[in-house]
Amino acid sequence: EAQVTQNPRYLITVTGKKLTVTCSQNMNHEYMSWYRQDPGLGLRQIYYSMNVEVTDKGDVPEGYKVSRKEKRNFPLILESPSPNQTSLYFCASSLRASGRAGSYEQYFGPGTRLTVT
Amino acid sequence: ILNVEQSPQSLHVQEGDSTNFTCSFPSSNFYALHWYRWETAKSPEALFVMTLNGDEKKKGRISATLNTKEGYSYLYIKGSQPEDSATYLCASGGSNYKLTFGKGTLLTVNP
Repeated sequence: EAQVTQNPRYLITVTGKKLTVTCSQNMNHEYMSWYRQDPGLGLRQIYYSMNVEVTDKGDVPEGYKVSRKEKRNFPLILESPSPNQTSLYFCASSLRASGRAGSYEQYFGPGTRLTVT
Repeated sequence: ILNVEQSPQSLHVQEGDSTNFTCSFPSSNFYALHWYRWETAKSPEALFVMTLNGDEKKKGRISATLNTKEGYSYLYIKGSQPEDSATYLCASGGSNYKLTFGKGTLLTVNP
């Protein structure tokens, strides 16, 4: 089954304790992206990756890191989480990035609800 | 318009009503407009991806139109059903390979 998986689905942690949220897709997609969803603010892009070893900042990258060593995986790393990073996080992938060559629907993972106390 | 804006923010309709909502986006550097349907406790799912001015897409009772010159898209739902209740998101893709989402329209269909 074609899907995007995220782990963990729920996480409660404390300020400053490094954590990683994994994201994996089995559709051989080139483009992957991380979003956070906060009430009243909509989905905001954190980082995106055009392909292996190619990543770039989205609209709200502060406090996050990413890596894309393999095509299927795109982990989100919070080196020193803070309470303002409490949010619902979504990973998404698409065949390629939107651009001159066309635009492709994004497939979303199930979401990770993170609480930082 | 610098951001992607959706209106109305929320909408309550009766079963059987037809409804529509709007997405406004920057018309400069435009490449694509996406519509997603997001049910509570689930993940957003793609409805349509449109790129050309005048594009019209249809899936069952849901359809969408695109005007890239003036920077807006309409989503129409004909004969709303309770299972159509969801948040409908639009997102605009530009030349920077990013997808910028609006805040969504929350549709509630009362039986």
